[in-house]
Amino acid sequence: DIQMTQSPFSLSASVGDRVTITCRASQSISRDLNWYQQKPGKAPKLLIYGASSLQSGVPSRFSGSGSGTDFTLTISSLQPEDFATYYCQQSYSTPRTFGQGTRVEIK
Amino acid sequence: QVQLQESGPGLVKPSQTLSLTCTVSGASISSGSFYWTWIRQPAGKGLEWIGRIYTSGRTNYKSSLKSRVTISVDTSKNQFSLNLSSVTAADTAVYFCAREDWGADPPNFDCWGQGTLVTVSS
Repeated sequence: DIQMTQSPFSLSASVGDRVTITCRASQSISRDLNWYQQKPGKAPKLLIYGASSLQSGVPSRFSGSGSGTDFTLTISSLQPEDFATYYCQQSYSTPRTFGQGTRVEIK
Repeated sequence: QVQLQESGPGLVKPSQTLSLTCTVSGASISSGSFYWTWIRQPAGKGLEWIGRIYTSGRTNYKSSLKSRVTISVDTSKNQFSLNLSSVTAADTAVYFCAREDWGADPPNFDCWGQGTLVTVSS
């Protein structure tokens, strides 16, 4: 199984901050990497697919980059509604696997 | 707009079988290029992929759960189901059904149910 490792586990940030989350795969997954946002008590929501493509309806302050084994999710200017947990997920092979999540908290 | 909704018992006794159903509304479960998937999340923890089914009946399961998991589909009811046998407290989690669009590049989970909490306890 492909292991996905995110860092940091959690971070504290203020509204307006630039935030970067990193995801590393245990082997190359090309660009088969998706990012999700999950708020408490809710299902995850697809933000970015294919490492850098923005899902329809997702604000442009979210962006993704990377290929191979190293990927990043960036929020250019953190908004109050962005405080949540973020997960990366690989679609390169089965079983699908997720990172352990990065919790973004209010500073 | 496609919607998914999980249903089933919220409490299951140890050693028994957990059974959940996901009802798909807003589109036919047989249309399009989708895998119908079960994912779970223990309280305060991350997401674990359990397995998936295509409407042809083809399935894939996580290897560590394979001996206990069965996913089936009923196209006449627009539903798919999860059975997990011989449950223990470690199977306590919120269970999500989700749609994986394998026609996308890359495949991704673009639609999710709200999730249902299943507790394993006597």
